[in-house]
Amino acid sequence: AQSVTQPDIHITVSEGASLELRCNYSYGATPYLFWYVQSPGQGLQLLLKYFSGDTLVQGIKGFEAEFKRSQSSFNLRKPSVHWSDAAEYFCAVGAGYGNKLVFGAGTILRVKS
Amino acid sequence: EAEVAQSPRYKITEKSQAVAFWCDPISGHATLYWYRQILGQGPELLVQFQDESVVDDSQLPKDRFSAERLKGVDSTLKIQPAELGDSAMYLCASSLDSGTSKNIQYFGAGTRLSVL
Repeated sequence: AQSVTQPDIHITVSEGASLELRCNYSYGATPYLFWYVQSPGQGLQLLLKYFSGDTLVQGIKGFEAEFKRSQSSFNLRKPSVHWSDAAEYFCAVGAGYGNKLVFGAGTILRVKS
Repeated sequence: EAEVAQSPRYKITEKSQAVAFWCDPISGHATLYWYRQILGQGPELLVQFQDESVVDDSQLPKDRFSAERLKGVDSTLKIQPAELGDSAMYLCASSLDSGTSKNIQYFGAGTRLSVL
């Protein structure tokens, strides 16, 4: 069965610093991969997605992610973090019948000024 | 911009009571999903509809949970009776068609349930 691991429960970065959130997945076939962001008490907003092709994908709000098949990873990056990026970030793999999403446990990002 | 609508946003109930949540997907989206998100965890799929048909309810606790999408548009998720462990965020999502290879799910703002 497919699974997603986000090793970091919490990450704190300074405003203006770079960010990398880690995501590892387990799935036998080519995965469809997603990053979503959730602000407190809100639903999930899609940041970016990977289906095929270029392994470096660009998303909204200046985020990007790189798919590395050899490492089963799909890490999220941003070159310069803004205070408004503080939120919880979820990596997900879409697979199986009906393309249901399997989510990681999330990483809470704190931004210090 | 089209959105997935959910109501209520917050619900407080006592255990053993019945609760119901409503979801209206983005217009034209054939697939509708209900997820449960326990505090500190990622969302987990409860039930998936394709039009009015259930295609996956393997994780739905059927002794107390039920879901319907009678006309293939909006949907209701019900819990009866509610238990303390049901306290969570209930998220609805929709997508154009889960049968397509590149399926993107769009989420509503969720309903936060507290069972006392």
